[in-house]
Amino acid sequence: DTAVSQTPKYLVTQMGNDKSIKCEQNLGHDTMYWYKQDSKKFLKIMFSYNNKELIINETVPNRFSPKSPDKAHLNLHINSLELGDSAVYFCASSQDTGGSGGYTFGSGTRLTVV
Amino acid sequence: AQSVSQHNHHVILSEAASLELGCNYSYGGTVNLFWYVQYPGQHLQLLLKYFSGDPLVKGIKGFEAEFIKSKFSFNLRKPSVQWSDTAEYFCAGGSSNTGKLIFGQGTTLQVKP
Repeated sequence: DTAVSQTPKYLVTQMGNDKSIKCEQNLGHDTMYWYKQDSKKFLKIMFSYNNKELIINETVPNRFSPKSPDKAHLNLHINSLELGDSAVYFCASSQDTGGSGGYTFGSGTRLTVV
Repeated sequence: AQSVSQHNHHVILSEAASLELGCNYSYGGTVNLFWYVQYPGQHLQLLLKYFSGDPLVKGIKGFEAEFIKSKFSFNLRKPSVQWSDTAEYFCAGGSSNTGKLIFGQGTTLQVKP
């Protein structure tokens, strides 16, 4: 059983399109995150949700909108995609907002904007 | 400001050589520290973590790390690397208050057979 699963694994789309990435965790964790990994492999947090409530919102363009229908799901919707949005997006979860027990990452979604 | 820095960006070793990757952190308050590994094309996997207690932490695949509070360091070590250890290694720090995990820049380890 995959603990944190993301779909799709690969996403190629044109500039200006709107796309969504889905994430689900079956660990019973309360907190979920979205991280962006750029072409230089640098990882930066974008958002975190705790039990459907937004906890962390880093300086991310408002074209990015996370949605958490329940604590097991955290989706990422991106409007008006730009070339600079090309990256690998990782979903993660932790037991609580303190990160106790560590963080479990999904396998990533490689987004390519052309 | 909270930050995590890794000194070595690219390390090349021969098999059986010993490994030490540096990591320094800057945090106010209690910090939880992690090392993650990312094999080519794969997701991040947890190698080990430090929350409290014994500053020498043993992880998977023969890795260990030592938390030295006076030096704000959490260096990763392995006595004898294998070709299969070729990967990207990330040090990360998390605040117990915010849960925000901050990553270092990563170190690319290349092990030559």
